[in-house]
Amino acid sequence: DADVTQTPRNRITKTGKRIMLECSQTKGHDRMYWYRQDPGLGLRLIYYSFDVKDINKGEISDGYSVSRQAQAKFSLSLESAIPNQTALYFCATSETQNTEAFFGQGTRLTVV
Amino acid sequence: GNSVTQMEGPVTLSEEAFLTINCTYTATGYPSLFWYVQYPGEGLQLLLKATKADDKGSNKGFEATYRKETTSFHLEKGSVQVSDSAVYFCALRLSNQGGKLIFGQGTELSVKP
Repeated sequence: DADVTQTPRNRITKTGKRIMLECSQTKGHDRMYWYRQDPGLGLRLIYYSFDVKDINKGEISDGYSVSRQAQAKFSLSLESAIPNQTALYFCATSETQNTEAFFGQGTRLTVV
Repeated sequence: GNSVTQMEGPVTLSEEAFLTINCTYTATGYPSLFWYVQYPGEGLQLLLKATKADDKGSNKGFEATYRKETTSFHLEKGSVQVSDSAVYFCALRLSNQGGKLIFGQGTELSVKP
């Protein structure tokens, strides 16, 4: 089993719908991150969390919200999806700010 | 601000060719530098890293040297294989930024037999 698991792996949704992407980890890390990947732009940080009570906005948080339900779970929500949120989304974890980040396999989201 | 710039892809090479993927950075402070690799359909995996100037990171035949004077961290491999076909991301992390990674745009490498 993967250390960082994202569900679903692929999703197509309609404009205006609410959608949640889920991430769970078995590494016991406190720090979790959500990134989105767009062609030619690399990965950009959406939100990050240092523990269940500490959630912070990244560089592109508009249109997104997150929930840290437990140390192992960090969900990303799109309250009202729009086509320019079509992207590949990655969850990542790290033990500390100076240690390796581990990534999930990604969720490919298409908003039509 | 802090940023990472990589050479544009895609890069197409023949098997056993020499590989260089350029990466330069701009950072306030002293970043750690990373190369991540993304194989088709998979997430990112750490390939190598360097945490201070003149450090050389290496793994699986890939190398990169942290050059503070040129703010660069170019990825090299002497002889690529078809299995090296992937997207390569250069990234930096600042110690006072909570572990956040700042990525370059990625460079797609295709190795032909």
